[in-house]
Amino acid sequence: EDQVTQSPEALRLQEGESSSLNCSYTVSGLRGLFWYRQDPGKGPEFLFTLYSAGEEKEKERLKATLTKKESFLHITAPKPEDSATYLCAVPMDSNYQLIWGAGTKLIIKP
Amino acid sequence: EAGVTQFPSHSVIEKGQTVTLRCDPISGHDNLYWYRRVMGKEIKFLLHFVKESKQDESGMPNNRFLAERTGGTYSTLKVQPAELEDSGVYFCASRYSGAGPDTQYFGPGTRLTVL
Repeated sequence: EDQVTQSPEALRLQEGESSSLNCSYTVSGLRGLFWYRQDPGKGPEFLFTLYSAGEEKEKERLKATLTKKESFLHITAPKPEDSATYLCAVPMDSNYQLIWGAGTKLIIKP
Repeated sequence: EAGVTQFPSHSVIEKGQTVTLRCDPISGHDNLYWYRRVMGKEIKFLLHFVKESKQDESGMPNNRFLAERTGGTYSTLKVQPAELEDSGVYFCASRYSGAGPDTQYFGPGTRLTVL
């Protein structure tokens, strides 16, 4: 069965303290892995799509990487405004209905 | 360019009542998806439209849920009659299936509370 698991559930960091979030997946035929950011009361906001093992993408303090079994979202020198829930998802088939992880709630303390 | 919009942002109803949620996708997006997140759980797929046709409704919980997409534009999701377990946040997303990334863009969600 296709599945997406994220860890940790929550992560508290001091401002400037780098860390990584994990997304492991089990899916037959990967059609991409999507990272989203969600702020309270808002919908998921698209960050990255990764399609093949070894691929990396960066945006400001965030870098996403992909292996054959998992993806990491690395956060370098985070700021309080990076606090949010980070979600990863994979399409279940060619119609791109997404299977979601439960998310990692990231809190950056000033 | 306007994003995906949803209405209402929050709805509180009594068990047994009817509620209709609306989603307006990004103009030109032919794919429209409904998802739901119940408290403490991950986001779950409900159904998928391509233009006005239902492509996949395998995630719909039961026949109390009815979705439509008029003329391939906006979509409505009706819950009738609502039950306590229907409470959650309902998200709509749209995607363009033409050339380009396969990204879905999400609306802000409708928070449904059934009392």
